[in-house]
Amino acid sequence: AQKVTQAQTEISVVEKEDVTLDCVYETRDTTYYLFWYKQPPSGELVFLIRRNSFDEQNEISGRYSWNFQKSTSSFNFTITASQVVDSAVYFCALSDPKIQGAQKLVFGQGTRLTINP
Amino acid sequence: ETGVTQTPRHLVMGMTNKKSLKCEQHLGHNAMYWYKQSAKKPLELMFVYNFKEQTENNSVPSRFSPECPNSSHLFLHLHTLQPEDSALYLCASSQPDLSGSPTDTQYFGPGTRLTVL
Repeated sequence: AQKVTQAQTEISVVEKEDVTLDCVYETRDTTYYLFWYKQPPSGELVFLIRRNSFDEQNEISGRYSWNFQKSTSSFNFTITASQVVDSAVYFCALSDPKIQGAQKLVFGQGTRLTINP
Repeated sequence: ETGVTQTPRHLVMGMTNKKSLKCEQHLGHNAMYWYKQSAKKPLELMFVYNFKEQTENNSVPSRFSPECPNSSHLFLHLHTLQPEDSALYLCASSQPDLSGSPTDTQYFGPGTRLTVL
């Protein structure tokens, strides 16, 4: 069965520090997709990134970067020079391709990130 | 208005009430989803609709009744709920790949915070 583990329940850092959120997944599928979402206090899940299982290149988007390592089944997310606005709950998710034509996602428990000024 | 909207944002109801949650997406997507997010569990997929047809019912109790009259609207009808049904209910939409491959990204609404007394 698909499973996503985010072992860090809560992280608290001081502004401008770098912080890495861990995500480990389990799947028997050879083709799958991994996602990161951000959930600010308003509640809405904001899409951050999607990565397919055949693309192991790391990705950088501004202060955000993602490290996908298939060998360790990990898809970690790093925020550099963190800001107070980065405070949110972050979810890692894995696609479950059993539904034709629509995406089914399995989510991790989420990591609550607090950036203190 | 753009994106995915949900109404109401907050709802308090008694166990004998009947209420409905509404979701509307303005993204031209053909798949819509209901998720439940409670304090002690990860995000749980409840229902999936693809082109107005229900393709997934994740063992949800019958006191939750979804309705998808068209690809832009999704409802969740609630009746005789229990206090443990108190949670944040999130709606999402996506545009499935026409080949049937689940490569799409889900976009979420802000959620309805439901409290059952």
